[in-house]
Amino acid sequence: AQKITQTQPGMFVQEKEAVTLDCTYDTSDPSYGLFWYKQPSSGEMIFLIYQGSYDQQNATEGRYSLNFQKARKSANLVISASQLGDSAMYFCAMREVGNNRLAFGKGNQVVVIP
Amino acid sequence: DVKVTQSSRYLVKRTGEKVFLECVQDMDHENMFWYRQDPGLGLRLIYFSYDVKMKEKGDIPEGYSVSREKKERFSLILESASTNQTSMYLCASSGGGLAGWNEQFFGPGTRLTVL
Repeated sequence: AQKITQTQPGMFVQEKEAVTLDCTYDTSDPSYGLFWYKQPSSGEMIFLIYQGSYDQQNATEGRYSLNFQKARKSANLVISASQLGDSAMYFCAMREVGNNRLAFGKGNQVVVIP
Repeated sequence: DVKVTQSSRYLVKRTGEKVFLECVQDMDHENMFWYRQDPGLGLRLIYFSYDVKMKEKGDIPEGYSVSREKKERFSLILESASTNQTSMYLCASSGGGLAGWNEQFFGPGTRLTVL
């Protein structure tokens, strides 16, 4: 069964606007971590932000924030003030406790237009 | 800064050849991973290793093997390359232990084409 679901089609966003990327996950484990990665056209995966299942507050890292809704099993990434360099694929991933593995979603393509 | 390097960015091989993909990390990480990435399928785990000489199968191990003789190096081996193994291969590493929530650091990827 798919653990991470990212279903949005490719997105175009205007420079300086905010964009929200959806991610839902499936686990019966009470302890887990959620990650977002960015993959530009160069191919390298870049870690953006992390949210633990027991964290009380939503994670933020600069222009990135994670809208964590535990009851809905949702971990949406919000990018504020989009820049041209934000054009990339974005992957949501989850790690369950006691498991070294990350389960990745299929990704969201974002294109920022000037 | 964690650095994960992969031996090649681009590789072209012929069907039936034995292919070695090398990955080296410089942060003394316990865990290392090999993924393949295909359009529309995201990243799929092939194998991972949590210690020297230790390995575990991921989701798609068929047609692949791995070797970890030193902590910093994790090799992916295609015993007899086939055209359906044409893909982007990504190596990653992460720390281990009970803290356990370390993110994975990725290498630049190897784009393998099998003709």
